[in-house]
Amino acid sequence: NAGVTQTPKFQVLKTGQSMTLQCAQDMNHNSMYWYRQDPGMGLRLIYYSASEGTTDKGEVPNGYNVSRLNKREFSLRLESAAPSQTSVYFCASSERTPVGTDTQYFGPGTRLTVL
Amino acid sequence: ELKVEQNPLFLSMQEGKNYTIYCNYSTTSDRLYWYRQDPGKSLESLFVLLSNGAVKQEGRLMASLDTKARLSTLHITAAVHDLSATYFCAVDNTGGFKTIFGAGTRLFVKA
Repeated sequence: NAGVTQTPKFQVLKTGQSMTLQCAQDMNHNSMYWYRQDPGMGLRLIYYSASEGTTDKGEVPNGYNVSRLNKREFSLRLESAAPSQTSVYFCASSERTPVGTDTQYFGPGTRLTVL
Repeated sequence: ELKVEQNPLFLSMQEGKNYTIYCNYSTTSDRLYWYRQDPGKSLESLFVLLSNGAVKQEGRLMASLDTKARLSTLHITAAVHDLSATYFCAVDNTGGFKTIFGAGTRLFVKA
């Protein structure tokens, strides 16, 4: 099993350009997440999808859109990139257990620089 | 609004020493997670703590949860260099799906 995969691993954009970050999981998890990680700020949730066909905003959704294409895939789109979106982006997935825990499994990350 | 605070944010320690990382959270929750991140890598789950008084141990790491105090601790016993990493605690918001992460504790163990 590959777990959670993300593409690309690295990307450099110019201000105003658009791009889509791809994420796929092969663990048959219902829930998927997009986070950004900035130095000293931990992980901040951008969007999440509790199940196929649903998406919801997290803490920092402005400037981003998402698509839950099917159960496996959850993409993150930057329509008009800004330097403030320079960050490392992590995708994660989880499946709630009968006791209510939701341990997340993370992808390798995408390091994005916006010039 | 749920807030999660870790301290210290940076910890440099000698091999063989013991230390504790603290995680405080601001609202009621009964699910707390600890994750480890190696430099330049992704996050991996260490522990899930479900109830008041829960204690879990793996190797030199032991995590505990006090839901009344809204406090979790990650205790490191006889640290070794391989434990150098950033450790995050994370708490499930009531209602689920929005897990809030602390800022992380960057641990460096000197040989």
